[in-house]
Amino acid sequence: AQSVTQLGSHVSVSEGALVLLRCNYSSSVPPYLFWYVQYPNQGLQLLLKYTSAATLVKGINGFEAEFKKSETSFHLTKPSAHMSDAAEYFCAVSESNFGNEKLTFGTGTRLTIIP
Amino acid sequence: DTAVSQTPKYLVTQMGNDKSIKCEQNLGHDTMYWYKQDSKKFLKIMFSYNNKELIINETVPNRFSPKSPDKAHLNLHINSLELGDSAVYFCASSQEGTLAGEQFFGPGTRLTVL
Repeated sequence: AQSVTQLGSHVSVSEGALVLLRCNYSSSVPPYLFWYVQYPNQGLQLLLKYTSAATLVKGINGFEAEFKKSETSFHLTKPSAHMSDAAEYFCAVSESNFGNEKLTFGTGTRLTIIP
Repeated sequence: DTAVSQTPKYLVTQMGNDKSIKCEQNLGHDTMYWYKQDSKKFLKIMFSYNNKELIINETVPNRFSPKSPDKAHLNLHINSLELGDSAVYFCASSQEGTLAGEQFFGPGTRLTVL
């Protein structure tokens, strides 16, 4: 069974500082990994995804994530936080491909940006 | 243009009532999903449909019955509502045949059972 663990339910960083949101996965087959962002009172939006191509994945809004098989990790980073990055971030894993995917989500990390 | 839309956005009702949530996607996707997000923001899949056929049913109580009249619509009907059904329900869609295809989410329906 696949699962995702997000360390830290709340992360606070100062504006302009590095953002690091942690995600570790468990999967019996090579995983597909995703980061989604949820702004207040909105649905989820895809930030980036790993599909076994490049291990360093670049997404929208300046975010990127690195797939590390040896550490079973897929941490999300952004060099310089912006106030607009304040949101809930979800890591997710899927073992399927070609649609009909069952995404298993982590419990989410709320990112707060300190002015 | 809204890609995945849900109605209503808010739903407040009494215990024991029956209610429906509607979802429509205009992306031409083959697969649609329902997710439940609880008060702690935990997201869990409930159902998925592919071309109007049920693919995933994650041990959801049979009070929940999804219905897909066509591949652009996936509605969720809930019978005999309970307090524990209070949550935000998200509809999503994706395209079959796409490697690790992105799921597009609707804005959510906040259900409050009193």
